[in-house]
Amino acid sequence: GAVVSQHPSWVICKSGTSVKIECRSLDFQATTMFWYRQFPKQSLMLMATSNEGSKATYEQGVEKDKFLINHASLTLSTLTVTSAHPEDSSFYICSARDLGLAGDTGELFFGEGSRLTVL
Amino acid sequence: GQNIDQPTEMTATEGAIVQINCTYQTSGFNGLFWYQQHAGEAPTFLSYNVLDGLEEKGRFSSFLSRSKGYSYLLLKELQMKDSASYLCAVLDSNYQLIWGAGTKLIIKP
Repeated sequence: GAVVSQHPSWVICKSGTSVKIECRSLDFQATTMFWYRQFPKQSLMLMATSNEGSKATYEQGVEKDKFLINHASLTLSTLTVTSAHPEDSSFYICSARDLGLAGDTGELFFGEGSRLTVL
Repeated sequence: GQNIDQPTEMTATEGAIVQINCTYQTSGFNGLFWYQQHAGEAPTFLSYNVLDGLEEKGRFSSFLSRSKGYSYLLLKELQMKDSASYLCAVLDSNYQLIWGAGTKLIIKP
């Protein structure tokens, strides 16, 4: 199947700093990538849909100025958590569809996830 | 509103069979997915059903009834490594994935 790589896997930062998480599709092009957040013992929560070459579409309740998303190429999307606070500590996961492989079934391939801890 | 229901937690014995149910109410339907997620890891794809019936893939099978808004994931010959959360997700009419909260499956020796 298609491979999605996410980096870094773990990050610890001080409150008030910014953290960038990268999501790459390694063997396919992804015009659309998805960013999720998952708190302990809870399901995935879609934060935003990242569209190559255009602005991201944010879900209700997600601050677009705090969670900056850039999808500069067909294989890379980045999520920047600006001015991070302890309540932003979570597991952030990206995913992408390989339309060439799965057609329009919507099957998602996930990155490994990035665990953010804000002190 | 859109809603996906699945049990929060289930316990089963190694070597046994377990069925995890999922019911859904969504605006449109373009398929149902099951994903497995081990603690601290990203989800991995298990199955996709868009037509009614049973899809078998090794020890795992997934069933769908669109008229009932119901699916189940059947795990046979349970192994300790099957201890994980199992997520049910439905693709709605806008091709957006609606996620269930997941079922934590605990396997006991």
